[in-house]
Amino acid sequence: SQQGEEDPQALSIQEGENATMNCSYKTSINNLQWYRQNSGRGLVHLILIRSNEREKHSGRLRVTLDTSKKSSSLLITASRAADTASYFCATDGRGGSEKLVFGKGTKLTVNP
Amino acid sequence: ETGVTQTPRHLVMGMTNKKSLKCEQHLGHNAMYWYKQSAKKPLELMFVYNFKEQTENNSVPSRFSPECPNSSHLFLHLHTLQPEDSALYLCASSQDPSLETQYFGPGTRLLVL
Repeated sequence: SQQGEEDPQALSIQEGENATMNCSYKTSINNLQWYRQNSGRGLVHLILIRSNEREKHSGRLRVTLDTSKKSSSLLITASRAADTASYFCATDGRGGSEKLVFGKGTKLTVNP
Repeated sequence: ETGVTQTPRHLVMGMTNKKSLKCEQHLGHNAMYWYKQSAKKPLELMFVYNFKEQTENNSVPSRFSPECPNSSHLFLHLHTLQPEDSALYLCASSQDPSLETQYFGPGTRLLVL
């Protein structure tokens, strides 16, 4: 299985602090994506990083990818209460079927 | 909003009922997906449609029956469900099934009694 697995399962921080979430996967990938889900809602795409990229930024988000370790991290800087959500990584597979495989997610709580 | 709508947002049904979930995307995408999200489990892909043709059935029980009449609409017909089928059912679309960004609807929260 090439399932991504997020770590930690839950993270609670204070507003203004940085939040770091990690994702590990098992097989080679073409790209890795991070999604956010507010409670009971649909997922929202945050950022996609390709296998030949090592780092990518989008606003307060910074994603890194280490293909040698089969891992990625999502850093949210200067967190806000509105960042409270679950965060998922999703991986594809080179030569695989037409599907993304999602991890179980990290539940982030940002306390005001 | 992401341009993907789902109805109903909430559904309660008995095990003998027949109901349908509807998904519509206004993004001009060619691929559509059904996912199931249960508590404390990873998001599970159920079906993939590309240009109205089903290209993936992830070993889903026959009590779930998808229908894709055109590239903008996707249905999930439900009959004789079990309580363990209670979950959030999410629809998504993408430009094509090349594993690029998927856009999700808000989901239908289903409770089977």
